[in-house]
Amino acid sequence: DAGVIQSPRHEVTEMGQEVTLRCKPISGHNSLFWYRQTMMRGLELLIYFNNNVPIDDSGMPEDRFSAKMPNASFSTLKIQPSEPRDSAVYFCASSLVGSDWRFGAGTRLSVL
Amino acid sequence: SQELEQSPQSLIVQEGKNLTINCTSSKTLYGLYWYKQKYGEGLIFLMMLQKGGEEKSHEKITAKLDEKKQQSSLHITASQPSHAGIYLCGADPINTGTASKLTFGTGTRLQVTL
Repeated sequence: DAGVIQSPRHEVTEMGQEVTLRCKPISGHNSLFWYRQTMMRGLELLIYFNNNVPIDDSGMPEDRFSAKMPNASFSTLKIQPSEPRDSAVYFCASSLVGSDWRFGAGTRLSVL
Repeated sequence: SQELEQSPQSLIVQEGKNLTINCTSSKTLYGLYWYKQKYGEGLIFLMMLQKGGEEKSHEKITAKLDEKKQQSSLHITASQPSHAGIYLCGADPINTGTASKLTFGTGTRLQVTL
């Protein structure tokens, strides 16, 4: 069990650039979650998928953010165009029917 | 929506001392999760509580959920430097029977001094 795998671990980009974060959930898990963590707002749920279908995207801050899950083993979170206020740590998590919650190590994003 | 408040926000204790972190909800908790986070790392699952009055322990960490299921506490006995980190409580804002999604408290930052 390699756990939830996120890439890249660190991303530094310039304002206006497109950023793509990637996540590979635990094999067999049917739910996938994207969270954002900042000092000011703590850990916020952005969007989650059940069986590859987006269920709740009410936490996505703006249209600049989009997430996809083309299959059960891969998801992306895209920010286009990126802004300095998007700087945060982005976590991906997966679970199996609401149990066995696991988090990835996170992607630390810095937008200059 | 359910809000989780943690207290204290930060804590500095001397090695060997006991400490308690609290998590309070504005609504009934149907599943309360405790996680630990070290700087630059993801969240590590500690314990999950579901029943009122439930108590679980793992090594020197004990978590309790009160009878009304609106407050949980995390107690560390004889703290060690390895306990340092951010402790987060999380809960499903809707009673679905399983944690379909988790919202989190603001976290408690723990430092353990020698």
